[in-house]
Amino acid sequence: DVKVTQSSRYLVKRTGEKVFLECVQDMDHENMFWYRQDPGLGLRLIYFSYDVKMKEKGDIPEGYSVSREKKERFSLILESASTNQTSMYLCATSTGGGTGELFFGEGSRLTVL
Amino acid sequence: AQSVTQLDSQVPVFEEAPVELRCNYSSSVSVYLFWYVQYPNQGLQLLLKYLSGSTLVKGINGFEAEFNKSQTSFHLRKPSVHISDTAEYFCAVSGSNDYKLSFGAGTTVTVRA
Repeated sequence: DVKVTQSSRYLVKRTGEKVFLECVQDMDHENMFWYRQDPGLGLRLIYFSYDVKMKEKGDIPEGYSVSREKKERFSLILESASTNQTSMYLCATSTGGGTGELFFGEGSRLTVL
Repeated sequence: AQSVTQLDSQVPVFEEAPVELRCNYSSSVSVYLFWYVQYPNQGLQLLLKYLSGSTLVKGINGFEAEFNKSQTSFHLRKPSVHISDTAEYFCAVSGSNDYKLSFGAGTTVTVRA
């Protein structure tokens, strides 16, 4: 069974803290994505990566960065967390050159106080 | 980039009644279309997808969707819902040459006894 694992289901952080969200996949997929989910806005793409050490900005990259040192791991970094980054963060993967079908982790709910 | 409009944000429905969730997308030469479901406190999972061929697509849990190119729509239907169908449903689209998905804002379905 395919698996996308997000390291933390729930996090509470303070304004200004550096936050790391980790995502690991066991499907050998080339593409990995970070989405942010907010009520009434659906899913918005933050960053994606189509290969190791490669990354591209999505629709809302401001305030975020990413790291992909190994094929199976894709990290989302909030350099200085702010309250408007309180949200559900979803990691997803897909095969390279595929149809775009995504496989999702269970999500990480981040609260910034 | 593609865009998706889900026409209903909330759909209350009684158990065993039919339900239809509406989705329209921006026009493109060729697209792939998806419906995902998110149960409470979980990640998204694929309900069904349209890649090519028959315009009527059947998915898991008794759901089906119809691709209508002239109306740029991909509405989701189920003839008889269960309490367990209570969830949020997302329509998504990708261009056939683009592995990034664009999501609608979501439709919350609440099934009552």
